Amino acid sequence: DVKVTQSSRYLVKRTGEKVFLECVQDMDHENMFWYRQDPGLGLRLIYFSYDVKMKEKGDIPEGYSVSREKKERFSLILESASTNQTSMYLCASSDTRAKNIQYFGAGTRLSVL
Amino acid sequence: GENVEQHPSTLSVQEGDSAVIKCTYSDSASNYFPWYKQELGKRPQLIIDIRSNVGEKKDQRIAVTLNKTAKHFSLHITETQPEDSAVYFCAASKWGSSNTGKLIFGQGTTLQVKP
Repeated sequence: DVKVTQSSRYLVKRTGEKVFLECVQDMDHENMFWYRQDPGLGLRLIYFSYDVKMKEKGDIPEGYSVSREKKERFSLILESASTNQTSMYLCASSDTRAKNIQYFGAGTRLSVL
Repeated sequence: GENVEQHPSTLSVQEGDSAVIKCTYSDSASNYFPWYKQELGKRPQLIIDIRSNVGEKKDQRIAVTLNKTAKHFSLHITETQPEDSAVYFCAASKWGSSNTGKLIFGQGTTLQVKP
């Protein structure tokens, strides 16, 4: 079974803090994704990566950056957290050879106070 | 840019009735259309998918239909049960050479099945 693990289920941070959300997958997938999920807005893509050290902006990259130094790990960074970044963050991975089926992590609920 | 519109945003049905969720995509090059189900407090999981060379696909009580000309695809759930209550997301993708695996998701439909 594919396993996508996010480091934290719940996180509370203060405005202005630097926040790291970590995601690890164990299936040697090339592609990894970060989404945020807000009620009524669905899954919005923040950033994605199709290879080590490669990254592309999604639909809402402002205020975020990412890092992919190893194939299995994809980190989302909030350089200076703001209250409007309070949300559920979902990581996903996929293998291009197996259609584009994305496997999701359990999510990190981030609250910025 | 690429866009997927999903309707309705909420759907309430009586147990045993059918439910239909519809999506429209903008990029005519899209060729792969998955549906994900997200139960309350859980992660989204793939429930069914269809490729553009197929018009319909069924898996027990769920089916997906695709109209490439109209750029529409739909999820049909028959004989709904309370455990079908969840948020459903449609998505579109271009699968093949030089693709990054990116999915364009619809906004989601919250389905409530009343016992």
